Amino acid sequence: QKEVEQNSGPLSVPEGAIASLNCTYSDRVSQSFFWYRQYSGKSPELIMSIYSNGDKEDGRFTAQLNKASQYVSLLIRDSQPSDSATYLCAVPYSSASKIIFGSGTRLSIRP
Amino acid sequence: GAVVSQHPSRVICKSGTSVKIECRSLDFQATTMFWYRQFPKQSLMLMATSNEGSKATYEQGVEKDKFLINHASLTLSTLTVTSAHPEDSSFYICSARGAGGWDTQYFGPGTRLTVL
Repeated sequence: QKEVEQNSGPLSVPEGAIASLNCTYSDRVSQSFFWYRQYSGKSPELIMSIYSNGDKEDGRFTAQLNKASQYVSLLIRDSQPSDSATYLCAVPYSSASKIIFGSGTRLSIRP
Repeated sequence: GAVVSQHPSRVICKSGTSVKIECRSLDFQATTMFWYRQFPKQSLMLMATSNEGSKATYEQGVEKDKFLINHASLTLSTLTVTSAHPEDSSFYICSARGAGGWDTQYFGPGTRLTVL
């Protein structure tokens, strides 16, 4: 089992709709979780971090965490064409010495 | 936000030559720097973790004699790809992490290496 798993997509969502991106992780003791956005040919940028069970909202983005199910998701409301990118879920190792990235979900927002 | 620079952004070299990539944290001191490699349509793969003044910690399968890492100061780390071959062609990305943990990890813009 991969340490951090994501559906590679592509996920196609109409403009204005909600995009839902999912991630599961294997390390039960993980305490922090991150979502990065990566445009083609560019490096990743951090868009959300979440540490506690439940929802965390930041503008059009909502991260959801369920530690019991080892599941973290990212919702993007009112999707825009500029949201088209690959979204990477990242979870630090329990030792916190390094961070593991999922393979990423490619999101495409169609006008 | 914090800025991490990489130089060069793009390099094309002949097989057998060595290429040095610099990673600098411009407005903060990085306790740790990381080097990643990303092949097309694949995720980031951590190559090594670099702490200032100490030897880098390499991930399994990464040859330390081929990918030389030097972390001379809290703002500069370098990756040298020695005797590069076409299979080393990839997107190399560094990140720098500040004292605030993973929330203070910032990525450089990446270096695209093409080995002919």
